[in-house]
Amino acid sequence: DTAVSQTPKYLVTQMGNDKSIKCEQNLGHDTMYWYKQDSKKFLKIMFSYNNKELIINETVPNRFSPKSPDKAHLNLHINSLELGDSAVYFCASSQLLSGTGGYEQYFGPGTRLTVT
Amino acid sequence: GNSVTQMEGPVTLSEEAFLTINCTYTATGYPSLFWYVQYPGEGLQLLLKATKADDKGSNKGFEATYRKETTSFHLEKGSVQVSDSAVYFCALSENRDDKIIFGKGTRLHILP
Repeated sequence: DTAVSQTPKYLVTQMGNDKSIKCEQNLGHDTMYWYKQDSKKFLKIMFSYNNKELIINETVPNRFSPKSPDKAHLNLHINSLELGDSAVYFCASSQLLSGTGGYEQYFGPGTRLTVT
Repeated sequence: GNSVTQMEGPVTLSEEAFLTINCTYTATGYPSLFWYVQYPGEGLQLLLKATKADDKGSNKGFEATYRKETTSFHLEKGSVQVSDSAVYFCALSENRDDKIIFGKGTRLHILP
């Protein structure tokens, strides 16, 4: 029944390593997102994909690369991890609110990344 | 550009107190407005929404009314419980933009 799932839930790794976080949604949504939440709970959008096509790419280091093999999956690969990458990363998917516009988002449980 | 401003936290209240968390927005068009809640250790969940002016969203005893004249969407609850302790995010989305704009979040602590 899980709508948006992420793996792993926790990820502890050393500086310089490369890691991936996976996201899957079973809601049939066309649009998926990655967000970064810092220790003060501030939520910052990183990427958005619509039907496997990149549509939002905020100012994010190019060490971060999203990959969408199909519209139900959006994975995040991070190269050469740095201490400042430590945060909680949330995946989300959305659907257009019919008749009114605007998008309603559904979030995954988050992946807590700790870089040591 | 579009933006959302919500009151700084943390907000600490006693159980059964009345809650208001202020939220104002700027938008170029006619956005949909949302309140999301994040319980400790979890992802964000949609709490309520309103898609046009004067709409009232409500859920779990929380309410918010879309006020176009004051560009506000304040969250209210008449009697809070300890289980309402969480971080609350106000957000907006416009129909021509896939992006949702979030406020910075307001942490709410309810004391027994």
